[in-house]
Amino acid sequence: TQLLEQSPQFLSIQEGENLTVYCNSSSVFSSLQWYRQEPGEGPVLLVTVVTGGEVKKLKRLTFQFGDARKDSSLHITAAQPGDTGLYLCAAITGTASKLTFGTGTRLQVTL
Amino acid sequence: ETGVTQSPTHLIKTRGQQVTLRCSSQSGHNTVSWYQQALGQGPQFIFQYYREEENGRGNFPPRFSGLQFPNYSSELNVNALELDDSALYLCASSLGGGPKNIQYFGAGTRLSVL
Repeated sequence: TQLLEQSPQFLSIQEGENLTVYCNSSSVFSSLQWYRQEPGEGPVLLVTVVTGGEVKKLKRLTFQFGDARKDSSLHITAAQPGDTGLYLCAAITGTASKLTFGTGTRLQVTL
Repeated sequence: ETGVTQSPTHLIKTRGQQVTLRCSSQSGHNTVSWYQQALGQGPQFIFQYYREEENGRGNFPPRFSGLQFPNYSSELNVNALELDDSALYLCASSLGGGPKNIQYFGAGTRLSVL
């Protein structure tokens, strides 16, 4: 059973469109991270959200942590082909800083 | 470039064989975590090594074992390979094993078990 469910699983959009990816859980987390993984590479950390209700912006990417710290969203404005990749949310659990990853959202942005 | 290197990049084995994957951590990092990523899924935590000691383990059988060396590089060993072991194996290094330490991932080793 996946602790973190992401939706949608796949998203294919055209350049310039907006999109939102969701990461949901029934558990409460002290923090949550978002990663992007491109083909042939490992995941790269985009952001860490810590406080319930927190909003962080990274250029055209906006990340929000739910008030109850059980869910998060990633919104991309005016998507570009360079945004193509696998987006993963992850929660840090346990004292060993084990990362529990979500199911992933594969984004394809075409011209 | 994260400074984390893994070798080999690709590997093909047959069922029942044994495999060793290697990871060199980023300079100054003393902690290495290993993850298994099946096709189309998110990575799953295998285990973590902190200063040469296992510091946490995920839900993987004992035939998955590891080592960390004094220079903090690490190995992942898998015995009696099964078809379901086919996956991308990722290692991540960090400075310390606590929850506030950012993990930097290598590009992974793609293992195919036939």
